[in-house]
Amino acid sequence: KDQVFQPSTVASSEGAVVEIFCNHSVSNAYNFFWYLHFPGCAPRLLVKGSKPSQQGRYNMTYERFSSSLLILQVREADAAVYYCVCSGNTGKLIFGQGTTLQVKP
Amino acid sequence: GAVVSQHPSRVICKSGTSVKIECRSLDFQATTMFWYRQFPKQSLMLMATSNEGSKATYEQGVEKDKFLINHASLTLSTLTVTSAHPEDSSFYICSALGTSTIYEQYFGPGTRLTVT
Repeated sequence: KDQVFQPSTVASSEGAVVEIFCNHSVSNAYNFFWYLHFPGCAPRLLVKGSKPSQQGRYNMTYERFSSSLLILQVREADAAVYYCVCSGNTGKLIFGQGTTLQVKP
Repeated sequence: GAVVSQHPSRVICKSGTSVKIECRSLDFQATTMFWYRQFPKQSLMLMATSNEGSKATYEQGVEKDKFLINHASLTLSTLTVTSAHPEDSSFYICSALGTSTIYEQYFGPGTRLTVT
């Protein structure tokens, strides 16, 4: 069954580097997407691809079946839900259950 | 970047009525759009894939006669919740598939449906 796995919760302190790990069992999936989602708003794409990538404070590691999102210098405002997503060759996205990031001041 | 809009952003309706939600790609053409639903404290769940000019493909467990999807143009898909019940109250989000080769989806801001 095509599934994406990620931890339900990650806690951190302000200023630290946070890592959210993800792995999948999706057949023919080569791309990872990491989305930031504040409830009630549109999910926002942070970083994507089939290789390691960086966009501002967001780094994405890449292996064939796993990826990590690293958030540098995490802030309280980064507290939200982060989705790891895989896409196969049909355009259909398979979402993980989301990781709630908690940031302590 | 590509922009997707949804209308309405919030709707409250009585049980037994039908509600239509629109999803528009504003600055690009989208042959494929997706409809998601999110219940409180749960992940986004794909409901159906909407292809312009053809029937939508529904995920397992989603009633196609209850959630009517129409994708009549390259910039508009609609989701109609028929005979809504309180358990249909949820956050509905659409997305449109971009035209790049990496299959990026662009999400709308969502519609909060409350059925009383």
